[in-house]
Amino acid sequence: DGGITQSPKYLFRKEGQNVTLSCEQNLNHDAMYWYRQDPGQGLRLIYYSQIVNDFQKGDIAEGYSVSREKKESFPLTVTSAQKNPTAFYLCASSIFGPIRMVEQYFGPGTRLTVT
Amino acid sequence: RKEVEQDPGPFNVPEGATVAFNCTYSNSASQSFFWYRQDCRKEPKLLMSVYSSGNEDGRFTAQLNRASQYISLLIRDSKLSDSATYLCVVNVGSGGGADGLTFGKGTHLIIQP
Repeated sequence: DGGITQSPKYLFRKEGQNVTLSCEQNLNHDAMYWYRQDPGQGLRLIYYSQIVNDFQKGDIAEGYSVSREKKESFPLTVTSAQKNPTAFYLCASSIFGPIRMVEQYFGPGTRLTVT
Repeated sequence: RKEVEQDPGPFNVPEGATVAFNCTYSNSASQSFFWYRQDCRKEPKLLMSVYSSGNEDGRFTAQLNRASQYISLLIRDSKLSDSATYLCVVNVGSGGGADGLTFGKGTHLIIQP
């Protein structure tokens, strides 16, 4: 079965600790994305990557870091510099191309709670 | 002005009724438009892409009005299982999608038996 997996589903951390969220896809998609969703809010883009070894900041990249060493994997690290890390984190992927209809497909998400 | 705006609802609709949502977007250069469905505490799932000529998928019909910069979603013969939050999504990037999509906050739909 092709799809996107995120682990863990729920994650609890103490304030001041860095934490890494996993995202893996076997859809052979070139592009991958990280979003966060807060209650009653729309999804906001944190980082995205179009190809291996390249990534770009999204709208709210401060306090986060990513890597893209493999096409299938795009882990997100929430650092202690992120002021409000508690949120629902969603990873997505898509094919990449010029201006065209490009749908994104989402993983099941990780709920991070920092206390 | 927000890039993508939706009426948050909730829309309380009796089973079998027809319900319509609108969504407005601010960037006239937007190229791609989608409706996603999100169930409570789950990830968004693509419901349908929205094409310039309008498109239909079973009970669902999507329309795009570029002149007025809005898209719509019509659900006919609504089912209890249609209860969810419907996200309006617009690609405002120049890279054809690789720089992410802009999501509305969603419209919450409750179908009542």
